[in-house]
Amino acid sequence: GQQLNQSPQSMFIQEGEDVSMNCTSSSIFNTWLWYKQDPGEGPVLLIALYKAGELTSNGRLTAQFGITRKDSFLNISASIPSDVGIYFCAGQRGSQGNLIFGKGTKLSVKP
Amino acid sequence: GAGVSQSPSNKVTEKGKDVELRCDPISGHTALYWYRQSLGQGLEFLIYFQGNSAPDKSGLPSDRFSAERTGGSVSTLTIQRTQQEDSAVYLCASSNNRGMLAFFGQGTRLTVV
Repeated sequence: GQQLNQSPQSMFIQEGEDVSMNCTSSSIFNTWLWYKQDPGEGPVLLIALYKAGELTSNGRLTAQFGITRKDSFLNISASIPSDVGIYFCAGQRGSQGNLIFGKGTKLSVKP
Repeated sequence: GAGVSQSPSNKVTEKGKDVELRCDPISGHTALYWYRQSLGQGLEFLIYFQGNSAPDKSGLPSDRFSAERTGGSVSTLTIQRTQQEDSAVYLCASSNNRGMLAFFGQGTRLTVV
């Protein structure tokens, strides 16, 4: 099925560093969501974006809905070991219906 | 319930057998989604329910896959004549009327041997 282009695929960073990851699509989305998945768990919603240009923060996380509605980025500031996991972007075209997911960014943090 | 519950958590089955995966959504959530996650991949959409009806079945990979939902609550995903390529984690999620997909279950890890 269709998937979003998410990059990078993986990141190895030092504790305290900032992280940035992004998703792009050839199609317009009305909603962008960012999830984190820990091993053996289902994805957990981090941030939801509903409006082009919207910039939203959740603690050390900041995400933006691209003005073209075809991209989004997620930043994590001052990373800590518990940030380790796989981060997924997801786009939704309507107010309901299926979410299309990126392949994920695997984040590793060295203490 | 308090969260989305899926059962079994793990299932090993022989190639050619049928399997049933169950999802109990959050109480009151009208929308229910099934996704499949293969190793190292993102989430692949399978099917979406609004109430008991499935307006979008476009992700079901073959006619061996089917799903139903009864009473606007529990959903069952059935895979007939399983193949090795069906091995994956099957995730269920539910959302409220506003359609924000927020809550996933822990998934069922299916292994076909």
